[in-house]
Amino acid sequence: AQKITQTQPGMFVQEKEAVTLDCTYDTSDPSYGLFWYKQPSSGEMIFLIYQGSYDQQNATEGRYSLNFQKARKSANLVISASQLGDSAMYFCAMRLMNRDDKIIFGKGTRLHILP
Amino acid sequence: DGGITQSPKYLFRKEGQNVTLSCEQNLNHDAMYWYRQDPGQGLRLIYYSQIVNDFQKGDIAEGYSVSREKKESFPLTVTSAQKNPTAFYLCASSIPTGANYGYTFGSGTRLTVV
Repeated sequence: AQKITQTQPGMFVQEKEAVTLDCTYDTSDPSYGLFWYKQPSSGEMIFLIYQGSYDQQNATEGRYSLNFQKARKSANLVISASQLGDSAMYFCAMRLMNRDDKIIFGKGTRLHILP
Repeated sequence: DGGITQSPKYLFRKEGQNVTLSCEQNLNHDAMYWYRQDPGQGLRLIYYSQIVNDFQKGDIAEGYSVSREKKESFPLTVTSAQKNPTAFYLCASSIPTGANYGYTFGSGTRLTVV
């Protein structure tokens, strides 16, 4: 069965430091996509970054990058130069290719950026 | 602009009442989803629909009902059988398959039992 694991329920990071949010996944399917979403206190889910299982390079979107280690089934989110506005809940998620499967979400990591 | 609209933003329910949460999308997505989120918790799937006039139960469907009469709309009814309905409800849409396609979410409805 497919599964997403986020082992850090909460993190505190000083402003302007880089932060890594951990995510491991489990699937036997060779084709899948990995996503990160941000949920600020207002509640909306904001898409941050996507990585395909066949992508050779790590995905980057502005200050966000995804450290994809396929053999370890790891898809950590790296936020560079953290800002106060980065304080939020972060969810790692996975979707399989060519199947009518839903996206599977991890339980999330709450990130607090300290001034 | 295309997107998903959830209404109302806040909803209060009395004990024993049924309430309906609205979800409308103009993204031309075939698939729509309802999730429940409790404080500090992840998302749990209530119901999903991949095509009009068809829907399937998710992990926590008891006490909820849905309909999908139009592609754009996927309302969720929280019935009196749902004993602990206070939560944040998120609606999402997507194409039905495709690992490279994520969900687009609405802004959520916060339901409180009074």
